[in-house]
Order: sequence, then C-alpha cells, then structure tokens
Amino acid sequence: SAVISQKPSRDICQRGTSLTIQCQVDSQVTMMFWYRQQPGQSLTLIATANQGSEATYESGFVIDKFPISRPNLTFSTLTVSNMSPEDSSIYLCSVEGPGGSYGYTFGSGTRLTVV
Amino acid sequence: AQTVTQSQPEMSVQEAETVTLSCTYDTSESDYYLFWYKQPPSRQMILVIRQEAYKQQNATENRFSVNFQKAAKSFSLKISDSQLGDAAMYFCAYKGYGGSQGNLIFGKGTKLSVKP
Repeated sequence: SAVISQKPSRDICQRGTSLTIQCQVDSQVTMMFWYRQQPGQSLTLIATANQGSEATYESGFVIDKFPISRPNLTFSTLTVSNMSPEDSSIYLCSVEGPGGSYGYTFGSGTRLTVV
Repeated sequence: AQTVTQSQPEMSVQEAETVTLSCTYDTSESDYYLFWYKQPPSRQMILVIRQEAYKQQNATENRFSVNFQKAAKSFSLKISDSQLGDAAMYFCAYKGYGGSQGNLIFGKGTKLSVKP
C-alpha cells in the first residue's frame, strides 16, 4: 500500500490566520481525499482532489474556506483559511488502495488548535 | 444515502479475552466494501480488516475476524486474545463499489479499553 507523509503533525494557530497542510504520497494516485475529525468525532470527508481539475467539495465545505491544490499525482495541499476555534480538529489525507478494494491509506494527521 | 451506525460508544475487555464490536449500515447497493479501522492515540488510521460484500466467507486477519450478515446489514468485529495494544478507537466504514463511489463513510466509532 502507499505511504503518505503528512505535514505538519500539529500546529497551534491564531484565529484569523491560515494553515496549509501538505500530503506527499510515495506513488502516483488518481484521487486524494481530505478528511476532518473534530474532537471526539468520526471522520468527515471535506473534499476529493483530482490532479488537473478542481477539487470536489462535500456539502458544508466550501473552496474559499478549504482551498485545495493538486499539482501532480503524488502531492496535495489543504489550506484552512481565516481560522476560528471551531476549526480545531484533526485533518487527514487519504488515498485509495489498488482497485478500491484494499481500503484506504491515511496520513498520520495534522492536529490543529486555533486559539 | 448510505449510513454507518456503531451503537457502542465505549467497550472494555480484559486482556486475553474476546470482545465483539458492532456495526450496522444502510445501503441500497448490492456491491460494496466494508472496513474496520483502528485509531490509537497517535491518530494514525490503521486498516484492520476488510470485507467485500459479494463474498459470503467472513474475513479473518490473525486475531481479528468479522461476522458479516449481508441481509441484516451487520458487520461486527471480533477481537480474540485481546492485547493492551488493541486499545484504540475502532471505526467501521463503508465504501460503494466502482470508481464513482470514492469516499469512505464512517461510523462514529467505538472506544475500546483493554484491562491488564
């Protein structure tokens, strides 16, 4: 399965600022997924990032708040913009296994605290 | 829309004993995948076991096995000979079949504690 390097692992940010999270995959993948895990909650899909096209956002998430870049088949970034304390969460990137049946591999997550 | 339900927010098991975590799901699809993920305090999501819906045989991975009841839309995880390292959040997840069904749908999770 793919190996994902996610940075930063954690950060404490001031409200009103932005943070960019990076995910690097050791193999080429078509789709990358960004999830949010609020404290004590399950994972919620933010958006799907395809190389060469705009990301597809889930209901409740907008591009202005969570802009995503996907410059090539091994890399993606998620920016959390104009942060507020409600954005304090764990953010995870993920890629699909071969053929979709092997489950997903996840990055190690970014724990974001907004103060 | 598909949903995944884990009715046990917390479970506890004695070391070396067996525990079963419950998961039910709702879908109108006939082909899909089901997964159990483990998330220890390190936050890393680790795939524990997966099941293809078209397979009648229950998946097994060492001490982990599932009881897949397709008609009942039930997918429970059994952990045998529990170890201290099994303590974690466990998430049940659903994925539709085919390229357009790309994302995972997660349950709310079950926090498993293992007592020495």
